[in-house]
Parts: sequence; structure tokens; C-alpha cells
Amino acid sequence: DVKVTQSSRYLVKRTGEKVFLECVQDMDHENMFWYRQDPGLGLRLIYFSYDVKMKEKGDIPEGYSVSREKKERFSLILESASTNQTSMYLCASSRPLTGAPGTDTQYFGPGTRLTVL
Amino acid sequence: GEDVEQSLFLSVREGDSSVINCTYTDSSSTYLYWYKQEPGAGLQLLTYIFSNMDMKQDQRLTVLLNKKDKHLSLRIADTQTGDSAIYFCAESTGGFKTIFGAGTRLFVKA
Repeated sequence: DVKVTQSSRYLVKRTGEKVFLECVQDMDHENMFWYRQDPGLGLRLIYFSYDVKMKEKGDIPEGYSVSREKKERFSLILESASTNQTSMYLCASSRPLTGAPGTDTQYFGPGTRLTVL
Repeated sequence: GEDVEQSLFLSVREGDSSVINCTYTDSSSTYLYWYKQEPGAGLQLLTYIFSNMDMKQDQRLTVLLNKKDKHLSLRIADTQTGDSAIYFCAESTGGFKTIFGAGTRLFVKA
């Protein structure tokens, strides 16, 4: 079974702090993703990475950066946390469903609920 | 642009069937997915359907795809209280991205 773990389930930080959210997957997946989940808005993609050291902006990258130094680990960084970044953050990784592009199935971690005061 | 829409809430009685509906806009989608999220947990893949299929059945779950109307549904037979969760519809449109709906909260009354 695929296992995706996130470093914290709950996190409370102050405005202006630098925040690191860590995600690790154990199935040698090429692709990794960071989403935020807010009520009524569903999942919104922040960044994704398709290889070590490679990253692409998602739909809402502002205020965030990412790091992928090793294949199994994908970090989300809030350089200066703000109250509007209070949210549930979900990490996912994927392998191709059949090997054809565009058929990846994403496997999710348990989420990190971040509160910025 | 790409969009996936689903209603936000559904309430059923235990033992009844639940039907969760979803519409999507991108006709080039390859796979369509249903994920389940239980309270305090991440998303768990429930089932998926390839875009050239009309129906897929897996135990109590039936997925129907109407590609002409870009409509996807998930039917849960004999719904149980343990089925209470948020159900996300998603589509894979090519490349690496998957587009998710806002999620339908299913509430099962005992």
C-alpha cells in the first residue's frame, strides 16, 4: 500500500513566522503535490513536482514556495505566514494508472491543519 | 477553463441508496475519480472510471459516466452510517494535474 505521511497533523503559528510542512511518500512516485482545502472551495493546487528539484506552480502559489531535494520528500514553505493561510494542507503523490500520461492516480496524506494567529 | 461541480450536501436514511452527482467541463478528460474523505483524514481513492466506459460496479458502489453530458455519478447501495463522509469527484485532463470538485458531504441518518 502507498503510504504518504505528513510531519504534523495540527500546527499553530504566528503571523510572520516561517513555516515548513513536510511530506514523505514511500512508493518511489515521481509526482508530488501540495493542496489546500477550504470549506466550500474543495482542493486547490498550490504547487506540484514531477521530479527531484523540479517544480511547477499550481493555481494558488502566491505566498508559498516548495522544495524537492529527494524523490520521497516534498516540502511546502510559507515564508511569512499570514492569517489567510489558515487552512488544511494536503500532500499527495502519484504514479501513472496505466503508464499513459494524464492517468495518474493521486494518493493523499492525512493532512496538516494549520492555524495562523 | 477546467471545472468540476458537485452539490455540497446530501442526506439519506440508513439502508437507502445514495446518489452523488458531478459535472465536468473538459471533454478530453482521461480518467474520472471518486475520493472519500472521513473526518480528520486525507482523501482516499474509492474508485475510478476510464473515459471510454459507461459504467463500473464495485461491490456497493456503481459509477455511471455520461460522456455526452459530461456527467458522472456515484451510487452507494444500502448506505450505512460509516459511509458518512465528504465525497470528491475529480478528473484527470492530461499532464500531471487532477481537477477536484468542492466535495459533497454525505450525511447518513440512522
